[in-house]
Amino acid sequence: NAGVTQTPKFQVLKTGQSMTLQCAQDMNHEYMSWYRQDPGMGLRLIHYSVGAGITDQGEVPNGYNVSRSTTEDFPLRLLSAAPSQTSVYFCASSTPGLAAYEQYFGPGTRLTVT
Amino acid sequence: DAKTTQPTSMDCAEGRAANLPCNHSTISGNEYVYWYRQIHSQGPQYIIHGLKNNETNEMASLIITEDRKSSTLILPHATLRDTAVYYCIVSLYNNNDMRFGAGTRLTVKP
Repeated sequence: NAGVTQTPKFQVLKTGQSMTLQCAQDMNHEYMSWYRQDPGMGLRLIHYSVGAGITDQGEVPNGYNVSRSTTEDFPLRLLSAAPSQTSVYFCASSTPGLAAYEQYFGPGTRLTVT
Repeated sequence: DAKTTQPTSMDCAEGRAANLPCNHSTISGNEYVYWYRQIHSQGPQYIIHGLKNNETNEMASLIITEDRKSSTLILPHATLRDTAVYYCIVSLYNNNDMRFGAGTRLTVKP
């Protein structure tokens, strides 16, 4: 099992450019989420999905789009990058149920917008 | 979700127990207490969670007060590799919307 994988690991964008951050998991988890972490801060939820075809907004969704066409993949799209989106982005997955509930996080994508 | 309050930082000697407190005075009856940690710049790692009973696993113990307004995460024998930021989160079970605060930066010293 690779767990949760994210690509790219690093990215530099110019203001106004768009891009997609990739996230994939091979654990057949129903739930997937995107968080951002600004320097010295905790994580903030951007968008999440409870299953293929279902997405919802988190705490800070503006400027980002998501879709969930398969159980495995949950890409995050930046529509028009802004310097305020400079951050580390983490993807996470989990599965509901009676077993211990925990989120598995990917290694992160470090994004700089100039 | 209820909010949590944690100390900004703590130190612990290697080999000693690390006791990390968390206040969650507005916790509701169906909310769980979760602990995660983040080592350096890696993705957060789940440690433990509980509702009202004390819990123990291979990583740590979680002590929740009887009124559920506070809890303590205990690392019984801290090692240098336990240096990390520890997050206490209160959330509904199976809630995908977890709110991470600033956490406690634990430094384990030789």
